[in-house]
Amino acid sequence: NAGVTQTPKFQVLKTGQSMTLQCAQDMNHNSMYWYRQDPGMGLRLIYYSASEGTTDKGEVPNGYNVSRLNKREFSLRLESAAPSQTSVYFCASSAEYSGHGYTFGSGTRLTVV
Amino acid sequence: GQQVMQIPQYQHVQEGEDFTTYCNSSTTLSNIQWYKQRPGGHPVFLIQLVKSGEVKKQKRLTFQFGEAKKNSSLHITATQTTDVGTYFCAGGGDKIIFGKGTRLHILP
Repeated sequence: NAGVTQTPKFQVLKTGQSMTLQCAQDMNHNSMYWYRQDPGMGLRLIYYSASEGTTDKGEVPNGYNVSRLNKREFSLRLESAAPSQTSVYFCASSAEYSGHGYTFGSGTRLTVV
Repeated sequence: GQQVMQIPQYQHVQEGEDFTTYCNSSTTLSNIQWYKQRPGGHPVFLIQLVKSGEVKKQKRLTFQFGEAKKNSSLHITATQTTDVGTYFCAGGGDKIIFGKGTRLHILP
């Protein structure tokens, strides 16, 4: 049982480049999330999808877009990467939007130079 | 807006000593969750508390949810080197809000 799978694990981008972070879960969870983690800042919610077909902004959505492709997959796109987007990105899923524990992926370490 | 504050930010303890981290919310929570993140790893769900005054135990870990459902604590008895990591609380209401975590360092 793989849980939540994120790709890639590491990425270096030049300023202005675009990329998509992929996330897939095999637990039949309804809700999926994208977080970024920076030193001293904890986990900050970028976007979430409470259920298939819906997406909503979180705390720090600027510079990002998301797509809930189907129930399993939730991707995060950086259209024009900036150094301020250097971070560790975690995808997570939960059975329902609130009141259930999150299962996190292993993360993507992104550096923008 | 809803905020979840966690203290302390860092804690160094000798191996074998106890450790406690506290979580406080500005609003009443419907539930509180606790996660552990090992260095270089990802957050792992530990437990969820829902009821006012609830206490749950997992081996050496004791979790409490306050009577007013605005605060919570995680207590580790007799810490071991495997307890090293950052412990996050996450308050549930209209949305889940994560605290900034308490980083636990164990001195051998």
